[in-house]
Parts: sequence; structure tokens; C-alpha cells
Amino acid sequence: SQQGEEDPQALSIQEGENATMNCSYKTSINNLQWYRQNSGRGLVHLILIRSNEREKHSGRLRVTLDTSKKSSSLLITASRAADTASYFCASLRFGNEKLTFGTGTRLTIIP
Amino acid sequence: GAGVSQSPSNKVTEKGKDVELRCDPISGHTALYWYRQRLGQGLEFLIYFQGNSAPDKSGLPSDRFSAERTGESVSTLTIQRTQQEDSAVYLCASSRWASGNEQFFGPGTRLTVL
Repeated sequence: SQQGEEDPQALSIQEGENATMNCSYKTSINNLQWYRQNSGRGLVHLILIRSNEREKHSGRLRVTLDTSKKSSSLLITASRAADTASYFCASLRFGNEKLTFGTGTRLTIIP
Repeated sequence: GAGVSQSPSNKVTEKGKDVELRCDPISGHTALYWYRQRLGQGLEFLIYFQGNSAPDKSGLPSDRFSAERTGESVSTLTIQRTQQEDSAVYLCASSRWASGNEQFFGPGTRLTVL
């Protein structure tokens, strides 16, 4: 099974509301990254949080990491229609050079 | 500079034929990755190149799949004797070096095996 699991699998909210997505992983990690994918094509890197960090901000994005629970959350504030996409977390284990992607959350922003 | 490019963007082939997919990474990026994404699913790691080191092929699903990379530039993913279950989007990504840096993705190649 894949290491990363996101929930919910799908989320629909009204424009302007905040969207929260969660990610769980199974093993100790070096860092965890969040990516966005539009229309089933290339992914765009959003933010990276290292294992010794607990929270990180980038514009309207806020990421938290709880290594004791092996979980992370991505919060998008003041959502916009353009935020409609699939969001994936990806974890990097220590001593490993490849990311393990979760199954993704499909976010729909309703105008 | 230009991002990661992939060609072709779409490929339709008949079962049993061989296909070759190409990836041009960002110049100067030493690490290159191939992933497969089936419809509505997450990314499945296939293979990883880092500089001149031996590639990590642990994700290749069968011996029908192979990949090469010329130095730190172009990579090709070859699928021999394609099967219908090979239908997916094949994504390539590169990063400045490995060890956890962000990956830059190409637009992908959508492969359809009839």
C-alpha cells in the first residue's frame, strides 16, 4: 500500500472558505512536501516542511507537521476558484532518495 | 529557463507494440524521476537517476519497462510489448539534486494502449 494517504478524498467548498486537507504516512521522514495537480497533468510544488519543523506558511498556504502522529495538514485560506485541483502530499524517508506520494485530495471550489 | 518537457504529449498505440517516451529535464538538474499515474490515482514511482550513479529501478513494474539517461540530460522510458494496463499518464520530474529537494514536473505523456 502507498505510504501517504490523504483525506478527504474529495472536498467541495464555497469560494472564500478555508480548505483543510490531511495526510498520514507510515515511516519516519526527512521531509514532507505538498503538490498541486491540475487536469491530471504535471504537478506543481507548493511547500516543503522538514521533519524538525512544525508549521510553515507560504502566502495563503499553511502546512503543519506532527511527527508523533505521522501526519500533516495543508490549509488553504480564502479559497479561490483557481484553487480547484488535486492536492498530493509526498514524503521522503531518511536514507531514501525518492518521494512516496499519497492518493490525493480532489478540491473543488464553488464560485 | 525552460521547465521540464516531455514528448509526445499523447500516444495511442496498439497492444503489443513498443513505445518510447522522452523527458528533457531542467538544465543543471542532476536528479531525474519517472512516475506513472493511472486515472484518478496517485503517482507510482518507476525509476530514478542521480548523476552518474546506477539508477534506482526498484519501481519498474516488469522487465518490459526500461529507461536510460544520457549523462545529466535527456531520458527515455521504453515500454516493450505494451499491454492495456500500461495505459496511464507518465510523468517525469527533475530536481537540482536529490536528498529531498522539490521536484519539477513535466506535463506528462498520456499513453493509451488499445
